[in-house]
Amino acid sequence: EADIYQTPRYLVIGTGKKITLECSQTMGHDKMYWYQQDPGMELHLIHYSYGVNSTEKGDLSSESTVSRIRTEHFPLTLESARPSHTSQYLCASQSWDSAYEQYFGPGTRLTVT
Amino acid sequence: LAKTTQPISMDSYEGQEVNITCSHNNIATNDYITWYQQFPSQGPRFIIQGYKTKVTNEVASLFIPADRKSSTLSLPRVSLSDTAVYYCLVGTYSGGYNKLIFGAGTRLAVHP
Repeated sequence: EADIYQTPRYLVIGTGKKITLECSQTMGHDKMYWYQQDPGMELHLIHYSYGVNSTEKGDLSSESTVSRIRTEHFPLTLESARPSHTSQYLCASQSWDSAYEQYFGPGTRLTVT
Repeated sequence: LAKTTQPISMDSYEGQEVNITCSHNNIATNDYITWYQQFPSQGPRFIIQGYKTKVTNEVASLFIPADRKSSTLSLPRVSLSDTAVYYCLVGTYSGGYNKLIFGAGTRLAVHP
């Protein structure tokens, strides 16, 4: 089993609050990703990273930001949460020499009231 | 990136073999075909990957015809725990970065 963790698993927060979703992996993977998924819908890539100090925006425009200061850690931050940010956020990692096998965390289900 | 088309949903019964077909007419020469499985409230999990002909692992088989414009994921003797969403993805490994485009997937429901 892959060792990739996300905290919190569930978060209910009020509009305007700043939040950080944590993602950590212990596999030493260089590549990490954040996806957003609404219930019953497709996953959309919102951020990715090739390694330390490397971050890029994904296909879906997102008001969130990410950082990659350590290989194992890839947090996602929302400066001011809004109800439109309500969704599930999934973090994934991938070995550099793997073509398509990404390991996903359990996800954080965010509800902004 | 090649677009994929798969059935929205399928129903099966325990013990049956399930075949989910994915269409990818615009697949490029360097593209691989990958399948993921997602249970409710969990992240997707890699099942199998192939380029051509047939690939088999302990979980599933993947059949890819010579023209590679479609592929079929085969799940032998499904159980209730195989109820999940199955995603077919096509992409190219280039420059170390792999873009996975997840479509709507196929919702498989396995009944007793």
